[in-house]
Amino acid sequence: DAGVIQSPRHEVTEMGQEVTLRCKPISGHDYLFWYRQTMMRGLELLIYFNNNVPIDDSGMPEDRFSAKMPNASFSTLKIQPSEPRDSAVYFCASSTTPLAYEQYFGPGTRLTVT
Amino acid sequence: GNSVTQMEGPVTLSEEAFLTINCTYTATGYPSLFWYVQYPGEGLQLLLKATKADDKGSNKGFEATYRKETTSFHLEKGSVQVSDSAVYFCALTGGFKTIFGAGTRLFVKA
Repeated sequence: DAGVIQSPRHEVTEMGQEVTLRCKPISGHDYLFWYRQTMMRGLELLIYFNNNVPIDDSGMPEDRFSAKMPNASFSTLKIQPSEPRDSAVYFCASSTTPLAYEQYFGPGTRLTVT
Repeated sequence: GNSVTQMEGPVTLSEEAFLTINCTYTATGYPSLFWYVQYPGEGLQLLLKATKADDKGSNKGFEATYRKETTSFHLEKGSVQVSDSAVYFCALTGGFKTIFGAGTRLFVKA
């Protein structure tokens, strides 16, 4: 079975541009998580969904960030406009259990904003 | 609130050395505890877990015991290999979120 799939793996963009990161969770998983990893702040939970519905977006840094999950097999994280401080590795993870046990992570998208 | 504190790295060991990475937690209720490992260029992978006090999680020669009295979940391995070089994250799940520690980078020299 395929794991969590993320695209693109690397993204380089200029400040002010819109960036869209994509995630396909493991089939049958009903929880989806977006994380951001930086050297300074470690691994931060941005938002998570249950059955395609956003449950907790308190980790989303500001209004420039938005996330959607139009169906059970696809989610996007959008940054508009992007800023250099958004440079990080963004991970998507999925899970089948209600308390987020045993999350399965994708390989991540390394975003560089110049 | 819930939190996880793990020892700062990097930890550098020679092959076949004994490994301990300390992890302590603060939590209300009865969380489940995890160790995840992240190899270069990859996402985190679950290494082992323990869901209640005194449980021992184990996998690939790594072990950790859920100690409620000391609120600890230290990771150990008797003989490390070069291939164990990675970043190790302690984590807990309580309520609706998983809280990750800052990560400890391990280098194993041949």
